[in-house]
Amino acid sequence: DAGVIQSPRHEVTEMGQEVTLRCKPISGHDYLFWYRQTMMRGLELLIYFNNNVPIDDSGMPEDRFSAKMPNASFSTLKIQPSEPRDSAVYFCASRPTGNTEAFFGQGTRLTVV
Amino acid sequence: GENVEQHPSTLSVQEGDSAVIKCTYSDSASNYFPWYKQELGKRPQLIIDIRSNVGEKKDQRIAVTLNKTAKHFSLHITETQPEDSAVYFCAASINTPLVFGKGTRLSVIA
Repeated sequence: DAGVIQSPRHEVTEMGQEVTLRCKPISGHDYLFWYRQTMMRGLELLIYFNNNVPIDDSGMPEDRFSAKMPNASFSTLKIQPSEPRDSAVYFCASRPTGNTEAFFGQGTRLTVV
Repeated sequence: GENVEQHPSTLSVQEGDSAVIKCTYSDSASNYFPWYKQELGKRPQLIIDIRSNVGEKKDQRIAVTLNKTAKHFSLHITETQPEDSAVYFCAASINTPLVFGKGTRLSVIA
């Protein structure tokens, strides 16, 4: 397996534009997580899914953020409209059932100007 | 919910010395404690983990200890090398997503 795959790797967009980040988890993993990493706040959990169902979205900062998982092999995180303070690295991670290691994708570095 | 505190935020050691990073957690039900290493510009990757039924685990130069009573766990790196320089994150979970500490930037000075 190629691991967790995220796209794009880098995204630069203007304030007010819609941004969509994409993630393909490892095949067979039941859980998918979206994290945001900044220097100030570290790795923050935004939302996670179990078997494609959103379980906890309490970490989503505002209504501008939304996430979907239409099937077991694909998830999106959307920001609309984007703001400069959304600039961060966004990681997707997945893991199988059972309390065990989460595997991270390479991340998407988002810059909103 | 779970809260994880990590100290120190930065740590500099001479090559060959030991490094210790400490974390505390708030929820006594947490039962899985991994440590991740993140090199500059790369993804976090697991280096070692420990479960609540074990007090200590070692893998070559890396060891982790867990004190359930005090709700703290520590990462020990012996004989540090320049390639150990990175940001290290501790985490805790209770069959839920990992809650991370804020990270420790370790610099190993040659």
